[in-house]
Amino acid sequence: GENVEQHPSTLSVQEGDSAVIKCTYSDSASNYFPWYKQELGKGPQLIIDIRSNVGEKKDQRIAVTLNKTAKHFSLHITETQPEDSAVYFCAARGSRSGTASKLTFGTGTRLQVTL
Amino acid sequence: SAVISQKPSRDICQRGTSLTIQCQVDSQVTMMFWYRQQPGQSLTLIATANQGSEATYESGFVIDKFPISRPNLTFSTLTVSNMSPEDSSIYLCSGGQGEVDTQYFGPGTRLTVL
Repeated sequence: GENVEQHPSTLSVQEGDSAVIKCTYSDSASNYFPWYKQELGKGPQLIIDIRSNVGEKKDQRIAVTLNKTAKHFSLHITETQPEDSAVYFCAARGSRSGTASKLTFGTGTRLQVTL
Repeated sequence: SAVISQKPSRDICQRGTSLTIQCQVDSQVTMMFWYRQQPGQSLTLIATANQGSEATYESGFVIDKFPISRPNLTFSTLTVSNMSPEDSSIYLCSGGQGEVDTQYFGPGTRLTVL
């Protein structure tokens, strides 16, 4: 099955700096890669996703890049703000077999934005 | 997008009892899933809730311990049976459209078993 690794486990940046979180996946047939933000006491919130036919996607301060050859994808947050502080999870959907849309999650990155 | 609600939001239960968690989606979704999240850990898929048929369980999870129902396209329940302290966790429901893969999560149910 799919295996997703995520680094770093913790990340501390100063307000206004950029943050980058990286994930690798094992199943070369994976074709969908979402990123979730989870604040304390809340469920994961989808913040951006990318499909395998696209190399990069941006949404305001957030961008995701995908390198299919290397099987890795990254989340980039620019001009970080204190409200960006949360745990971020990457995920990958492996090849369809039986139950579609089954996601495998990374281990999470705790991002802290300091003033 | 889909808005997902869960009840209860939290509960404290005694060992040996069972708790049923409800998940409601505001629009029809083709896929519904149940996850477990241990404190400070990632999400682990328990099962896929199938409408009108038995749920599909992941390795390590069995129907006798986690019976699931999904009577229609917008509602599902997860029961945690014969609970032990090891079942203390956050249980999350998610829903998505199978064609486009996007999954949205509920706020979670925080379960503590004494």
